[in-house]
Amino acid sequence: DQQVKQNSPSLSVQEGRISILNCDYTNSMFDYFLWYKKYPAEGPTFLISISSIKDKNEDGRFTVFLNKSAKHLSLHIVPSQPGDSAVYFCAASAESGYALNFGKGTSLLVTP
Amino acid sequence: GAGVSQTPSNKVTEKGKYVELRCDPISGHTALYWYRQSLGQGPEFLIYFQGTGAADDSGLPNDRFFAVRPEGSVSTLKIQRTERGDSAVYLCASSRAGGRGDTQYFGPGTRLTVL
Repeated sequence: DQQVKQNSPSLSVQEGRISILNCDYTNSMFDYFLWYKKYPAEGPTFLISISSIKDKNEDGRFTVFLNKSAKHLSLHIVPSQPGDSAVYFCAASAESGYALNFGKGTSLLVTP
Repeated sequence: GAGVSQTPSNKVTEKGKYVELRCDPISGHTALYWYRQSLGQGPEFLIYFQGTGAADDSGLPNDRFFAVRPEGSVSTLKIQRTERGDSAVYLCASSRAGGRGDTQYFGPGTRLTVL
C-alpha cells in the first residue's frame, strides 16, 4: 500500500510561471518530509525538507508547504526554469528516522 | 569530493543466476541505504547499514536478497536465483550519520534486467 501519494504523474508549466507539485500521505507517524529531484540516468538529488513542527520552508526559488491536518504537502517553484524539468519525488519518514518512503513521482516539464 | 558510486551501471542476467551489485558511499559516511525502484514507481527501501551492521533489513523482499558491508564502507547487495520480477534500478545512498535530518545522497543506480 502506497503511504505517500503523488497523484499527478506529469505537469507542464511555462518558463517564468509557478510550478506546484502536490503530495499526500496516509501514515500519521510521518513527521519529516523531503522533496528529491531526479534527472534521467542519475540518482535522486535532495532538494528541500520540512519538519512537522513547521508549515513552511523556503530555499531560494523552492518552497515547501505542509498541512498536517490534511496530510498534504506541496512544492512551489517560482519562477520555473527549463532546467527544473525533471521527476520530483516526495518522501517521508517517521520518527525512527532513516528509511524514506517515496511517492511515485511527478514529471515536470518547463517549456520556454 | 566524489559522490556515491555504483557498479555496474547496467547488469543483464538470466533467470536463476546470482548477481552482486556494489556501492561505494561518500567517504566518511557511516550510514548506507539500499533502495529499489521498479518501473513507474518511487524508490522502495530495502536495507539500512550503520557502520558494518545492518540496522534494519525489513525492506528486503525475501531471503534471496542479502547485503553486506564488512568494513563499514563499500557495500554489496547480493541476489540469488534471480527472477524476472527482480528487474529494477537498485539505488544506493549514504549519509553522514544516519539521523533523520541527515541528507541521504544517492548514487546513479544499477539497472538490473533479468531475462
